[in-house]
Amino acid sequence: TQLLEQSPQFLSIQEGENLTVYCNSSSVFSSLQWYRQEPGEGPVLLVTVVTGGEVKKLKRLTFQFGDARKDSSLHITAAQPGDTGLYLCAGPFSKTYKYIFGTGTRLKVLA
Amino acid sequence: DTAVSQTPKYLVTQMGNDKSIKCEQNLGHDTMYWYKQDSKKFLKIMFSYNNKELIINETVPNRFSPKSPDKAHLNLHINSLELGDSAVYFCASSQVVLAGPLNEQFFGPGTRLTVL
Repeated sequence: TQLLEQSPQFLSIQEGENLTVYCNSSSVFSSLQWYRQEPGEGPVLLVTVVTGGEVKKLKRLTFQFGDARKDSSLHITAAQPGDTGLYLCAGPFSKTYKYIFGTGTRLKVLA
Repeated sequence: DTAVSQTPKYLVTQMGNDKSIKCEQNLGHDTMYWYKQDSKKFLKIMFSYNNKELIINETVPNRFSPKSPDKAHLNLHINSLELGDSAVYFCASSQVVLAGPLNEQFFGPGTRLTVL
């Protein structure tokens, strides 16, 4: 069974701090996606990583796909209150139509 | 214009009732989904339709019945509601049907269902 475990589950930090969120699996994924979900809204895609070892940057957010394509991380530099939300990783079930979503990390950035 | 819209936003009802949630997308996508997000924020696929054809039907009680009258609409009807059905239900759509790096799902704002 493919599972995506995220850590930490909850994170509360002060504005300006750095943080890293992890997404781990015992299975290999062909790609992984990161979504952010703000309170009362649906998830919004941030990035898709495809190649093992790949690093993608989106302003203050840095995404990395593990070399073995079993894990991914999201690093936020100088967090801002606007970064507050639920961060979800998601991976496709091989050769199917569906995605599995991670267990989620709830981030709160205090001003 | 809202890309993926759902109605209602909130739904409070008694156990045993039947209710429907409607979803519409104006993105021209062929594939639509229903997800359930529980109180722990875990998001799980329930159903998916591609061109009005059911392609994903997860282990969901048969009290849940999706209906796709056309490619832009995917509704969810729930019979005999139970306490455990309380959750946030999200509709989503995507241009690409196969799960993979080209598949970006666009989610609606969710419908919070509370069963009393």
